[in-house]
Amino acid sequence: GESVGLHLPTLSVQEGDNSIINCAYSNSASDYFIWYKQESGKGPQFIIDIRSNMDKRQGQRVTVLLNKTVKHLSLQIAATQPGDSAVYFCAEIGVSSGTYKYIFGTGTRLKVLA
Amino acid sequence: DAGVIQSPRHEVTEMGQEVTLRCKPISGHDYLFWYRQTMMRGLELLIYFNNNVPIDDSGMPEDRFSAKMPNASFSTLKIQPSEPRDSAVYFCASSPRYGGTGSKNIQYFGAGTRLSVL
Repeated sequence: GESVGLHLPTLSVQEGDNSIINCAYSNSASDYFIWYKQESGKGPQFIIDIRSNMDKRQGQRVTVLLNKTVKHLSLQIAATQPGDSAVYFCAEIGVSSGTYKYIFGTGTRLKVLA
Repeated sequence: DAGVIQSPRHEVTEMGQEVTLRCKPISGHDYLFWYRQTMMRGLELLIYFNNNVPIDDSGMPEDRFSAKMPNASFSTLKIQPSEPRDSAVYFCASSPRYGGTGSKNIQYFGAGTRLSVL
């Protein structure tokens, strides 16, 4: 088996507080970004997306911020609830080395404390 | 729509056995993707299809892995012979498009198959 694994960063947040999950992306040519949520035992599920010509987009209780200057993406969750506990992945989409690529980050685990 | 459907949900097999994972994409989606997720390497793209044709299989780890898509509603990922290091969760995803920006590039994932090779 595997003795060494990815160390997923973990964010612990009190129920009702706001959460901010960060993601650094690698390709300055990426022009579309998606946040996914993966609950235990399930596949990743779409939360919100943003195009590179925007710097902010809001959904229901979630906001995504994009800073292209420093290649940084963040997901803000308002009034965090127990059901928000999951691993959150960012995905950057764009052309890299002449090939269209859809690259997932390693993920951040969000734990909501009661 | 029921979403992307994968079977089986769990598979336990012995080293050397053949394993076949199955996927039914969302109807109308032209692209199908197979991913592998492990603690060691995270989520890795193995192969993807466009209109049933394999386009990029550069992520397939070795010749023991093969994938087919005989029609628009069915795909298989086969491992023969299986090895303990193949133990992982395998996801299938589908999307209407793969290229450019916009919501048609959103990939929809199945619940995954957890494979354990003893």
